[in-house]
Amino acid sequence: EAGVAQSPRYKIIEKRQSVAFWCNPISGHATLYWYQQILGQGPKLLIQFQNNGVVDDSQLPKDRFSAERLKGVDSTLKIQPAKLEDSAVYLCASSEDTGANTGELFFGEGSRLTVL
Amino acid sequence: GENVGLHLPTLSVQEGDNSIINCAYSNSASDYFIWYKQESGKGPQFIIDIRSNMDKRQGQRVTVLLNKTVKHLSLQIAATQPGDSAVYFCAENTPARQLTFGSGTQLTVLP
Repeated sequence: EAGVAQSPRYKIIEKRQSVAFWCNPISGHATLYWYQQILGQGPKLLIQFQNNGVVDDSQLPKDRFSAERLKGVDSTLKIQPAKLEDSAVYLCASSEDTGANTGELFFGEGSRLTVL
Repeated sequence: GENVGLHLPTLSVQEGDNSIINCAYSNSASDYFIWYKQESGKGPQFIIDIRSNMDKRQGQRVTVLLNKTVKHLSLQIAATQPGDSAVYFCAENTPARQLTFGSGTQLTVLP
């Protein structure tokens, strides 16, 4: 079974530039998550989708971050404009769970962003 | 907000010994807890979970203990192997249905 796919694996940009990350979840998984993991910290949830609807985006900095999952399958996370503090690994995860958050999350390998 | 925290940021154990990784949580209403393992350059990998109506759950070489009285969670790894070296995170499912991660413990297995 193919896992969660993310791209790019690494991205270096200058502050105020924009960047986009792509995620393809495990086939059939209804729920998709984007997490931000700053070095030395645990992952922090940015946004959670169930199919193509947003379940929780309370911790997404909406002035600069946006995410979509238009067809309920793959998803894109965008940052515009980037700040130095956005340097982190952006992890995508998916699960079969339909909203109770009591199922296993499968994570991709992440996209490491460095903002200079 | 309430956070999941860990007692120790690093833990070193001899190969073959048992490891115990601890976690304190502050949200008494959380009903589901998970341990994840994260190797360098990879995403977190599910190890074991436990629901709040249980005190103990065992997997292959791993055991999770939940003490709701003191809001404490631990992960025990039996016969620790070099491949167990990683960062271990506990996570809790809060009443807001957010999976909240702690800051992690770096486990190093010494030869």
